[in-house]
Order: sequence, then C-alpha cells, then structure tokens
Amino acid sequence: AAGVIQSPRHLIKEKRETATLKCYPIPRHDTVYWYQQGPGQDPQFLISFYEKMQSDKGSIPDRFSAQQFSDYHSELNMSSLELGDSALYFCASSLAPTSENTDTQYFGPGTRLTVL
Amino acid sequence: GNSVTQMEGPVTLSEEAFLTINCTYTATGYPSLFWYVQYPGEGLQLLLKATKADDKGSNKGFEATYRKETTSFHLEKGSVQVSDSAVYFCALLSGGYQKVTFGTGTKLQVIP
Repeated sequence: AAGVIQSPRHLIKEKRETATLKCYPIPRHDTVYWYQQGPGQDPQFLISFYEKMQSDKGSIPDRFSAQQFSDYHSELNMSSLELGDSALYFCASSLAPTSENTDTQYFGPGTRLTVL
Repeated sequence: GNSVTQMEGPVTLSEEAFLTINCTYTATGYPSLFWYVQYPGEGLQLLLKATKADDKGSNKGFEATYRKETTSFHLEKGSVQVSDSAVYFCALLSGGYQKVTFGTGTKLQVIP
C-alpha cells in the first residue's frame, strides 16, 4: 500500500539558512500534519491542514510556515535556521474523520534536518 | 488537556519473555488510542489502534485493550523477539483535525 512520502530524507543546513521540506500524503488523504521530534523526545505537533486550509496549530515557531496545495501535498518552510531546529520532521496524513472512518494518522519516514 | 503517561524505559528483556508496557491517558471526550513503533533510524509506524471502550487492537503478536474505567491502553506481547527492539509510543487522538498526543516513548531492548 502507498505510504506517506517525504523529501528530502536528510538535509544539512548552516545557521540562518532556509529549508523546505515536502510531504506527499497517502492517496485520497486530504489532511496533513507536521510534527517535530528532537533527539530522544516524543514527536511534537507543529501544524495541520485540511483541504488546503490550516486546521490546527501547535508549537510552531514564527520562523516556520507551511501550506497545503491543490494536490494535497504540503511544504514546511523554515527560515533563519537555528542549531535547535536540528530534529526529525514527520509528516502524517489522514482522511477527514466521518462517521465511517477514524482519523488515524499515518506517518512518513521523516526528514532528518541537521543545522550546523 | 490531553496527556499520555507511559512507563519509562529502557526495558530490557530476554528473547521469548513476556512484554508489558503500561500506558494511561487523560483526555476530553472519547479518544482513539494508538501504539506507534519507531525502529532505530526509522520513522513512526502504526502498530495497533482501538477506537472505543473494550476494543482490542492487535498486530504482529502485540495486543492492547482500551480500558475506559482505568483510562489505560497497556501494550502486551507473549513472546518478544530481538527484532522487536525499538521505541514504542502510546498515543491518543481526541476529536477531528486534532494533533496526536504522544507519550514519552519506551525503549525496548530484546537480547538473545
């Protein structure tokens, strides 16, 4: 079965540079979520989108922005990178919850960002 | 708010031993409950889930039962293998378009 695709898988940037992470959800999934997992930590929710509109927002820094496009893929843009942004960034996707399905989130493999 | 508490690790077991990882939760409404597994250097994989009270999720020999009365979702496996070595996250989801709330993760190491 098709899974969530994230690119790139690994990214190395210098401080103050910018980075763009991409996420392609499972086909027919219209909801996308972004999480950040620091070393030895549990994933922390950043932001989510449903039908190209932001649906929820967590602890996302103002330096970060994200959007969802008409084909439902999403991009996380990170500017003025700091050493503390080094982490594993997960994208997850789900169907919008209805009475017939649960809103189970399926996670991608993650993008490992290293800021030097 | 929502929260998940799971037993701290690391947990070290011999192969074929019985595994229990405790998980309790606090949530508004009626959450869906999940166990995710993260193998070394890899992403998060959904291991099993339960969406209502008394449901039992199961996969790959792992089981967990949604206990509303004790607000628990403990993970069990009768006989662990070396290949089960990973970090296990208990998680919940309450309401639509909501973030998944994770526990802190429990690292399991199975030795031959």
